[in-house]
Amino acid sequence: GDSVTQMEGPVTLSEEAFLTINCTYTATGYPSLFWYVQYPGEGLQLLLKATKADDKGSNKGFEATYRKETTSFHLEKGSVQVSDSAVYFCALSDRGGGGGNKLTFGTGTQLKVEL
Amino acid sequence: EAGVTQFPSHSVIEKGQTVTLRCDPISGHDNLYWYRRVMGKEIKFLLHFVKESKQDESGMPNNRFLAERTGGTYSTLKVQPAELEDSGVYFCASSQDSVQETQYFGPGTRLLVL
Repeated sequence: GDSVTQMEGPVTLSEEAFLTINCTYTATGYPSLFWYVQYPGEGLQLLLKATKADDKGSNKGFEATYRKETTSFHLEKGSVQVSDSAVYFCALSDRGGGGGNKLTFGTGTQLKVEL
Repeated sequence: EAGVTQFPSHSVIEKGQTVTLRCDPISGHDNLYWYRRVMGKEIKFLLHFVKESKQDESGMPNNRFLAERTGGTYSTLKVQPAELEDSGVYFCASSQDSVQETQYFGPGTRLLVL
C-alpha cells in the first residue's frame, strides 16, 4: 500500500538557519503530494502541494519539488523564523480508483526554532 | 467563510464509556473525512463520506466505531465502548469534490480514555 516516510524530529534550529525536512513516498499510482503544518494548539493547515512530477509547491517561504525519479518531496526554507515552530506532516493523496483522495501521512516532524 | 469545526475540543472518559465526536464541514463540501493520530504516530485515515454515503470506510479499526452523516451535512463519530487504545486526536477534513483535492482540516478532538 501507499506510505510516506519523513525524517524524525525534533529538529532544533537557530533563527535564520536553512531548513530541510526529508520526505519520501511509496505509491501504487500517481499521487498528489502535500505538506501540512500544525502550529501549537491549532489544527492542520495546508502549507503547499504539488500534483505532478517536477511541480514546485511554495508558500510562506517554504518550497518542495515533486521528484518522481527519487519519489521525494523534501520541504525547504532558506531562513526559518521562531514563528515557524510547528509540526510538519508530509502526505500523499492516492487519487486512486473509485476516487476518494484519502491522505496517507508521514509521522510528522517537530521543528523548534530558537533565537 | 467558516472553516471545519469539531466538537468537543477535548474529551476525557473512562474505559467502557461511549463518546460521540461531531464534525461540521465547510458549507457546500460534499466530501468529509475522518482521521486519527494515536500516540504521536502518523495520522491515519478512518473513513470518507460523499454527501451522506460512505465512500470508503477501510480505515475504521473495528465495529466499536460508528460514523454517520445524516443529510449530508455534519458528521458524528461514535466510539462504543471506548478502549484505552482509542486515545488520540481525531481530525475531520472536508473538500469540495473529488477533483478539488485539497482537504481542509478541523482543529481536532483530543480523546483520552482512562
